[in-house]
Amino acid sequence: NAGVTQTPKFQVLKTGQSMTLQCAQDMNHEYMSWYRQDPGMGLRLIHYSVGAGITDQGEVPNGYNVSRSTTEDFPLRLLSAAPSQTSVYFCASSLPGTGNTEAFFGQGTRLTVV
Amino acid sequence: DQQVKQNSPSLSVQEGRISILNCDYTNSMFDYFLWYKKYPAEGPTFLISISSIKDKNEDGRFTVFLNKSAKHLSLHIVPSQPGDSAVYFCASTSGGYQKVTFGIGTKLQVIP
Repeated sequence: NAGVTQTPKFQVLKTGQSMTLQCAQDMNHEYMSWYRQDPGMGLRLIHYSVGAGITDQGEVPNGYNVSRSTTEDFPLRLLSAAPSQTSVYFCASSLPGTGNTEAFFGQGTRLTVV
Repeated sequence: DQQVKQNSPSLSVQEGRISILNCDYTNSMFDYFLWYKKYPAEGPTFLISISSIKDKNEDGRFTVFLNKSAKHLSLHIVPSQPGDSAVYFCASTSGGYQKVTFGIGTKLQVIP
């Protein structure tokens, strides 16, 4: 059971570089989300999608773009990396629900911007 | 302004005893509350949830209590086991899963 797969696991970027964090799920979940985890801040929602072709902003969307062309994939793009984007990024997926449906998380991508 | 607060950054408990993790929230619109457990270098995993229309939900060794008037919930683990050592996140939702707000987490250490 693959579940939610994130690649890469680790990445170092220079300021101004761009990259895409990949996220794929094989559970046919409609909902997918991206979070970042920073010390003392918990997990904060960056962007989310309720289905293919539909995305919306979360709490901290600035500096990130997303698209959802298929149910399985939800990539997160950093257009011009900044040191403030150094963080651990988690992708999650879930079935639609009224809030009580559990989210399945990937193992995370640790990103360092120098 | 943190809407979900976990004021204890860490907690140490002896194996076999009860672990109590606390969470306070400020948004009265939250309608579901969830607890996630996270081991180092792994993603969070769902543990247990409770609807705002209930005051208790139990699943094996894990029980979550909700006090709506105090805007407070707690997670009880009885008995605590060394494998329970992890960071526990409290989370709340309103209007569907996509609007999840997480606390900063409490690191639980269960001492053998």
